[in-house]
Amino acid sequence: AQKITQTQPGMFVQEKEAVTLDCTYDTSDPSYGLFWYKQPSSGEMIFLIYQGSYDQQNATEGRYSLNFQKARKSANLVISASQLGDSAMYFCAMRGGLNDYKLSFGAGTTVTVRA
Amino acid sequence: DSGVTQTPKHLITATGQRVTLRCSPRSGDLSVYWYQQSLDQGLQFLIQYYNGEERAKGNILERFSAQQFPDLHSELNLSSLELGDSALYFCASSVDSVNTEAFFGQGTRLTVV
Repeated sequence: AQKITQTQPGMFVQEKEAVTLDCTYDTSDPSYGLFWYKQPSSGEMIFLIYQGSYDQQNATEGRYSLNFQKARKSANLVISASQLGDSAMYFCAMRGGLNDYKLSFGAGTTVTVRA
Repeated sequence: DSGVTQTPKHLITATGQRVTLRCSPRSGDLSVYWYQQSLDQGLQFLIQYYNGEERAKGNILERFSAQQFPDLHSELNLSSLELGDSALYFCASSVDSVNTEAFFGQGTRLTVV
């Protein structure tokens, strides 16, 4: 069974600073994928970034980067140069092994960006 | 815009009633997933359909059912509704064969009163 753990229920960050959101996972599958989603107060789930278990380099998408440490089973999201619009709930999710494409989600971390 | 369309956006209904939630996947995506987000359970996978056939089942109640039609849109049917079924229901779609992305619709917020 797969498990995703996000230990930070909430975080505050100053505008223009970077913030790191923690995510650890547990799986016995050698092939898996890790996702981060943003959920603003309006409710939609916005895909941010993906990291495959065999990817050699850490994924980056604009101001988002994923710090993938496979041996530690962690996939932390780094948001650089925070903006007020980054205030939202952030979810880490994992897709399982071959032919298992459903996502298992962590509990989420609420980020509040202060001006 | 993710390209995944869900209707309706909001639904208020009484206990014991039945509702149908609809999802149109992104163009080219054969897989549709349904998820439920509630305050006590978080985000949970309910069921997946691939090209019209059920592929995976999660924590879906027997009172709930889903199907995917030949045009690939999907419907989630919730019956004998209880107060605890109040939640945000998401549909997501992906291409599965190269699943590096999974895009979600805007969700249907169901309130059972």
